[in-house]
Amino acid sequence: SAVISQKPSRDICQRGTSLTIQCQVDSQVTMMFWYRQQPGQSLTLIATANQGSEATYESGFVIDKFPISRPNLTFSTLTVSNMSPEDSSIYLCSGKTRDTQYFGPGTRLTVL
Amino acid sequence: GQSLEQPSEVTAVEGAIVQINCTYQTSGFYGLSWYQQHDGGAPTFLSYNGLDGLEETGRFSSFLSRSDSYGYLLLQELQMKDSASYFCAVVFYGQNFVFGPGTRLSVLP
Repeated sequence: SAVISQKPSRDICQRGTSLTIQCQVDSQVTMMFWYRQQPGQSLTLIATANQGSEATYESGFVIDKFPISRPNLTFSTLTVSNMSPEDSSIYLCSGKTRDTQYFGPGTRLTVL
Repeated sequence: GQSLEQPSEVTAVEGAIVQINCTYQTSGFYGLSWYQQHDGGAPTFLSYNGLDGLEETGRFSSFLSRSDSYGYLLLQELQMKDSASYFCAVVFYGQNFVFGPGTRLSVLP
């Protein structure tokens, strides 16, 4: 199985600030994704992190709000910008190998 | 479009067998996966069906029938620690997985 680490594990932030979440995957991973999950809900894909180019965002998510970087094959960051209480959620980094997708431990974000 | 359906909740007792169904309306995928997620934890991979039929991994088995657009996860000899949410996911080549809404399993003593 692929190893995926993510930090911070949790944070409490003030409205209007930004938080950057880091994700490190091992070399088995070919694709990297960022998800959001509200309590009791399924996983919502935010974007596919592309190495060396702009991320591919899903409907409802934009680069200005959720800038994503992937400078190399095994590292990516997601920034939640200008946060509001509605951004409170769990953010999950995910890496895909040939036929399996693995998840990092998640970042539990609370915006006050 | 791609959509998957799962029961929202299932309850069973320790030692029992439970089946969690997943129906889908999509095509062009090459497999069906199942994930387990405990409260406060991340989804963890359970099983993958690339071909129709049954795959067995210990107490867990998963089944896929492409002709019926249907799959299921079978959990045997239920234990309290199996209480969690279970997600089916359709696997596409070169893309992210598409996840179902999840089924919350409660195992009672």
